[in-house]
Amino acid sequence: DQQVKQNSPSLSVQEGRISILNCDYTNSMFDYFLWYKKYPAEGPTFLISISSIKDKNEDGRFTVFLNKSAKHLSLHIVPSQPGDSAVYFCAASTTFSSGSARQLTFGSGTQLTVLP
Amino acid sequence: DTGVSQDPRHKITKRGQNVTFRCDPISEHNRLYWYRQTLGQGPEFLTYFQNEAQLEKSRLLSDRFSAERPKGSFSTLEIQRTEQGDSAMYLCASSPQDEQFFGPGTRLTVL
Repeated sequence: DQQVKQNSPSLSVQEGRISILNCDYTNSMFDYFLWYKKYPAEGPTFLISISSIKDKNEDGRFTVFLNKSAKHLSLHIVPSQPGDSAVYFCAASTTFSSGSARQLTFGSGTQLTVLP
Repeated sequence: DTGVSQDPRHKITKRGQNVTFRCDPISEHNRLYWYRQTLGQGPEFLTYFQNEAQLEKSRLLSDRFSAERPKGSFSTLEIQRTEQGDSAMYLCASSPQDEQFFGPGTRLTVL
């Protein structure tokens, strides 16, 4: 049972326009959410995060929105650039039962292609 | 480069053989994680270390898998009697707090 879902395997946008990547989750225990970007032959790179006590977090061209009632989050990239072309993973986290750290549960990713 | 490093980057083995992967985390990070990623999926958590203590293990981590972090620095992941279903990318990550920093991964192919 997938607890974190990214229903769009791919997305293409024109350079300069807005990219919107979506993510849905089912586990109400998730209280911290992250977006990672992955280029081929590299590991995922942390992009931006949001705590469940917030509904928006912004960092430069990247903004993450959280709708807890809908169990939905989205990543907005504006303006989109060709260098943003990558696979984007949504991740949701809870604290391990040991209380020692956080466990990340990832979605299956969305391939973003920004066309020049 | 002070990021997370993994060795080897690629490993091809025959079914039934044992393989071992190494992860060197960012030096000041006491938390270390192993993940497995298959084609078209996101990373799946395998196990977690805080310093040298293995505190969490996923049910995905079968008895053929074992991980160590003997001195609280580098870690190894060993797979015994490999099966074709073990073919995947094995990712290591380290963290000081909530954000995890990933290495480039080791791609395992079991023939």
